[in-house]
Amino acid sequence: AQKVTQAQTEISVVEKEDVTLDCVYETRDTTYYLFWYKQPPSGELVFLIRRNSFDEQNEISGRYSWNFQKSTSSFNFTITASQVVDSAVYFCALSEPFGTSYGKLTFGQGTILTVHP
Amino acid sequence: GAGVSQTPSNKVTEKGKYVELRCDPISGHTALYWYRQSLGQGPEFLIYFQGTGAADDSGLPNDRFFAVRPEGSVSTLKIQRTERGDSAVYLCASSQGLAGGGSSEQFFGPGTRLTVL
Repeated sequence: AQKVTQAQTEISVVEKEDVTLDCVYETRDTTYYLFWYKQPPSGELVFLIRRNSFDEQNEISGRYSWNFQKSTSSFNFTITASQVVDSAVYFCALSEPFGTSYGKLTFGQGTILTVHP
Repeated sequence: GAGVSQTPSNKVTEKGKYVELRCDPISGHTALYWYRQSLGQGPEFLIYFQGTGAADDSGLPNDRFFAVRPEGSVSTLKIQRTERGDSAVYLCASSQGLAGGGSSEQFFGPGTRLTVL
């Protein structure tokens, strides 16, 4: 069975601080995809990034960066120089790309990030 | 283009009543997913459609829950004899599915907040 664990329930930082959100996953599949979604107070889930299990290159997009380490089954997300607008719930998710559950996402419990001015 | 839409945005009903929640996916997306998000939790998978057929309904909690997608586009999630424990936000997502390969991003709708009194 697949499982995603986000051990940090809530994180509070002051604007301009860097913050890392942890994600650890479990799967028996050798091919899988990892995702991060943002859920702002409005409630709609916003896609941030997708990473496949064969690509361990880290990725940077503006103030966002992701560190994928297959050896530790982790896919951590760092926000550099955080801003108040980054305040949201962040979800890490794992998907199965094949079989009857094609694309089904298994989500972690989410990390509530609050950035104070 | 238009994103995923869901109606109603809010639904309040009494215990024991029947409700229908509607999802209108992005045009051309063959895959459609329903998830349920309880307060403080990550979304949990309910059912996946590829085209008109339910390819995986393993997440439906019991036989009071049923979903259809008769023409391969709009989907309706139906809940019979609602219970207070059914109160949650019901999210719908769509993706290119098989046509997009295993990494198809899921686009989420704004959700329907169901409250069972």
